[in-house]
Amino acid sequence: NAGVTQTPKFQVLKTGQSMTLQCAQDMNHEYMSWYRQDPGMGLRLIHYSVGAGITDQGEVPNGYNVSRSTTEDFPLRLLSAAPSQTSVYFCASSQDSRGETQYFGPGTRLLVL
Amino acid sequence: GDSVTQMEGPVTLSEEAFLTINCTYTATGYPSLFWYVQYPGEGLQLLLKATKADDKGSNKGFEATYRKETTSFHLEKGSVQVSDSAVYFCALKSRGSYIPTFGRGTSLIVHP
Repeated sequence: NAGVTQTPKFQVLKTGQSMTLQCAQDMNHEYMSWYRQDPGMGLRLIHYSVGAGITDQGEVPNGYNVSRSTTEDFPLRLLSAAPSQTSVYFCASSQDSRGETQYFGPGTRLLVL
Repeated sequence: GDSVTQMEGPVTLSEEAFLTINCTYTATGYPSLFWYVQYPGEGLQLLLKATKADDKGSNKGFEATYRKETTSFHLEKGSVQVSDSAVYFCALKSRGSYIPTFGRGTSLIVHP
């Protein structure tokens, strides 16, 4: 199993540009989520999904869109990038259970100029 | 709602010192508790977990005991190594919650 994969690893954008961060998992997990990590802020939940076709907002959803058309994929879209979206983004997945581990991808470093 | 509070970092230790990173939580019912570790430039990975009161999770020399009476899940290691330098996150997941709640993370720096 490849686990959770994310692409790209690093991206530079100009303010106003759009892009999609890709996330895929091959563990047949129902739950998937996106976090951003900023210095001193820990992990903040952006959006999550509990299954194909079902998504919901997390703590910091503004400026981001998601969709879940398949169990495997959960892309994160930045519609119009802003410098405040400079961050490291992590995708995670887990099975549907209280005691289940979250599996994280390696992250995407995004710099918005 | 659920919340996790971790001690502020960074925690700086010499090699072979004893480590404690405090974690306390607020949750309804009986959550599962986790410690995740993030090495530089990587994503988080599970270090250990406990799913019921008085359970002890352990891995790689690290231990944590689920204490319901004090709502705590402190991380300990008897003798740290330089390779343990990382950020450690405490987390909980309540029954009925889709996504875990994470603490802010505690950076550990171990000097030779």
